[in-house]
Amino acid sequence: AQKVTQAQTEISVVEKEDVTLDCVYETRDTTYYLFWYKQPPSGELVFLIRRNSFDEQNEISGRYSWNFQKSTSSFNFTITASQVVDSAVYFCALSEAGSGGYNKLIFGAGTRLAVHP
Amino acid sequence: KAGVTQTPRYLIKTRGQQVTLSCSPISGHRSVSWYQQTPGQGLQFLFEYFSETQRNKGNFPGRFSGRQFSNSRSEMNVSTLELGDSALYLCASSLEGQGEVAFFGQGTRLTVV
Repeated sequence: AQKVTQAQTEISVVEKEDVTLDCVYETRDTTYYLFWYKQPPSGELVFLIRRNSFDEQNEISGRYSWNFQKSTSSFNFTITASQVVDSAVYFCALSEAGSGGYNKLIFGAGTRLAVHP
Repeated sequence: KAGVTQTPRYLIKTRGQQVTLSCSPISGHRSVSWYQQTPGQGLQFLFEYFSETQRNKGNFPGRFSGRQFSNSRSEMNVSTLELGDSALYLCASSLEGQGEVAFFGQGTRLTVV
């Protein structure tokens, strides 16, 4: 069955610390997509990254980086030199054809990140 | 380019009433999905529409329904509201709903009293 697990419910760091948010997924499909979204207090889910199952190359975008490892079914997200503006809830999500189509996102429970000055 | 627009932003309804929420997708996007977010259950998929047809449905009772119009705008309806329907309802749009990025609106916060 498809599932996304974000074991860290809440993380609290001091500004400029590096922080890694963990995401482990389960799927029987060989083709799937993984996403990270950020949800600030305003409520809107802000897209951060999409990865397909055939692309295990790690990605860096400014202070953000993502580590995708199919061998451990993980798609972890690291924020380098965290800032107060990074405070939000972060969601990892999976979409796969086996869920009735790629049009359905399966979300993890989210990790609430608090960055203190 | 305008983002996904959801109206209204906030709603307070009484148990037993019905409610309609609206979503205008990004121009050119034909897939619209709806999600319910609650503290207890997290983000859960409600349904997805493409070209005015429901393609996929989550595990919600029949009180939850939706539709999509020819301009891709979508509405969802909840009948016979229950206290447990209080939630943030999020709409997302994507080009074809085939694994592309789904862009979300700011949501409608529904409170049932």
